[in-house]
Amino acid sequence: QKEVEQDPGPLSVPEGAIVSLNCTYSNSAFQYFMWYRQYSRKGPELLMYTYSSGNKEDGRFTAQVDKSSKYISLFIRDSQPSDSATYLCAMRGYNAGNMLTFGGGTRLMVKP
Amino acid sequence: DTAVSQTPKYLVTQMGNDKSIKCEQNLGHDTMYWYKQDSKKFLKIMFSYNNKELIINETVPNRFSPKSPDKAHLNLHINSLELGDSAVYFCASSQDPGPTPYEQYFGPGTRLTVT
Repeated sequence: QKEVEQDPGPLSVPEGAIVSLNCTYSNSAFQYFMWYRQYSRKGPELLMYTYSSGNKEDGRFTAQVDKSSKYISLFIRDSQPSDSATYLCAMRGYNAGNMLTFGGGTRLMVKP
Repeated sequence: DTAVSQTPKYLVTQMGNDKSIKCEQNLGHDTMYWYKQDSKKFLKIMFSYNNKELIINETVPNRFSPKSPDKAHLNLHINSLELGDSAVYFCASSQDPGPTPYEQYFGPGTRLTVT
């Protein structure tokens, strides 16, 4: 079993829908939680970054962390075709150097 | 003005060959990384490197070796290529992480196919 699990999808939604993307993890030492977006044939780019539990909002995106359940979510409101990409969650412990642990990514398709 | 660049973008080669992938960053970062992304999209760190320290993921075969001529460049050399090495390899860079991590900036990837 991998340390970080993500449903690979694909998740197909109509334009304007609210999207929920999720990751579960097993390592209770993880303190920092990130969401990366990866367009086809491109490198990942950081979308959201949260520390410990709670919510963080940035425009149409909300990241949520529930450490008690070892569960993180990324919500996308008013989804757009340009949001079509693979979304990877990544995590790291406190003072854990350079090693991020990534999930396998969820492929999202937003249809016009 | 690409932040992190990699060459080549595509690499097709035969089993047993030795190949190198080059990476350059112009962000002034102290730390660079190599990641491997398999066909199922799992992104796994192989190495992180700064001027002071090389950290190796223990699952990486010693056929893989990072080489850094200076802090803006981190090349990946692979000896005796195997079919299982086929993947997309990403270079990334960041400020030197401390207790809290910094954003990692990724290059566009090198798609390696071993036949």
